[in-house]
Amino acid sequence: TQLLEQSPQFLSIQEGENLTVYCNSSSVFSSLQWYRQEPGEGPVLLVTVVTGGEVKKLKRLTFQFGDARKDSSLHITAAQPGDTGLYLCAVTTSGTYKYIFGTGTRLKVLA
Amino acid sequence: NAGVTQTPKFQVLKTGQSMTLQCAQDMNHEYMSWYRQDPGMGLRLIHYSVGAGITDQGEVPNGYNVSRSTTEDFPLRLLSAAPSQTSVYFCASMHHSGGASNEQFFGPGTRLTVL
Repeated sequence: TQLLEQSPQFLSIQEGENLTVYCNSSSVFSSLQWYRQEPGEGPVLLVTVVTGGEVKKLKRLTFQFGDARKDSSLHITAAQPGDTGLYLCAVTTSGTYKYIFGTGTRLKVLA
Repeated sequence: NAGVTQTPKFQVLKTGQSMTLQCAQDMNHEYMSWYRQDPGMGLRLIHYSVGAGITDQGEVPNGYNVSRSTTEDFPLRLLSAAPSQTSVYFCASMHHSGGASNEQFFGPGTRLTVL
């Protein structure tokens, strides 16, 4: 059983379209992170959300942490080819530094 | 700063061979970790360390050993490679400030194939 379920698994869209990807769990977390990984490279942190209901914006990317701190979404407005990559959510298990990553959403934005 | 470096970038082993994947960081981070990434599985934690001389197991530790003799280095050893260990391996480091929401900095990865 995967602790973090991400959906969709794959997404291919045209430049300029909007999209939302999701990270869901049945567990409650104190914080949740989103990373982006480009081909041949390691993941890079985009944002950390820590408060239920919190919304953070990073240029065209909007991140939201669910009110119950069990889920999160990432919305991209007017997607660009540079947004192409694997988007991963990550959490730590309570009281430890054991990070758990979701399976990821692989996004391809076509010019 | 070089950040997190990993060597080698690519490696092919035969079943039963041993090898060490090297990881080094120059950011004076206390926390270091090793992950493996397989298609459709995301990143899975193998081992981690919160400081020199301290290591602990992650989600998939079997078949791997680690040690942390210095703050900078965190090598991952495969004692007897198996085809199931074919994967891309990432090392990461993080400033261990006591919070669980700190940023992990990842290396570029080592692509390992076991025949």
